[in-house]
Amino acid sequence: EAGVAQSPRYKIIEKRQSVAFWCNPISGHATLYWYQQILGQGPKLLIQFQNNGVVDDSQLPKDRFSAERLKGVDSTLKIQPAKLEDSAVYLCASSLASLSYEQYFGPGTRLTVT
Amino acid sequence: DAKTTQPPSMDCAEGRAANLPCNHSTISGNEYVYWYRQIHSQGPQYIIHGLKNNETNEMASLIITEDRKSSTLILPHATLRDTAVYYCIVSGYSTLTFGKGTMLLVSP
Repeated sequence: EAGVAQSPRYKIIEKRQSVAFWCNPISGHATLYWYQQILGQGPKLLIQFQNNGVVDDSQLPKDRFSAERLKGVDSTLKIQPAKLEDSAVYLCASSLASLSYEQYFGPGTRLTVT
Repeated sequence: DAKTTQPPSMDCAEGRAANLPCNHSTISGNEYVYWYRQIHSQGPQYIIHGLKNNETNEMASLIITEDRKSSTLILPHATLRDTAVYYCIVSGYSTLTFGKGTMLLVSP
């Protein structure tokens, strides 16, 4: 079974630039999550999708972050414009359903904002 | 979701059992205890979860106290590959809130 795929693995940008991350969840998984993990901390949920609808985006900084999940499969997370404090690892995870105890995580994208 | 308290770091000798504690004194009746781990430069990995009863799978055992206010994750025979950050999370069937976890270092 293929795992959660993410790209790129690494990205370096200057502040005020924009960046986008891509995630392909495990086939058949209806629920998709984006997390932000700052160095030394645990992952923090940014947004949760159920199919192509948003379930929870309460911690997404909506003035600069946006996410979409077209056709309920792949998802993109965008930051525009980036700030220095956005430097983090962005993790994508998926699960069979929203009421599922096991989330499967991708390897993450490490973003450095200079 | 209830808050959890874990020691920031622990050491374990290879081949010995690793016992990772977690306090969750404010856990409510419908909340589960989940354990995930994160190996360096990888995404978190699900280990085990439980509600009231002790649980065991191929990776670990989960011991939950009778009052459910604390739990212990047991890796029966730790290997070097078990070196990771271990997260104890208390939640219903909903979003997971990760703390800082316990950094377990397994040494030869």
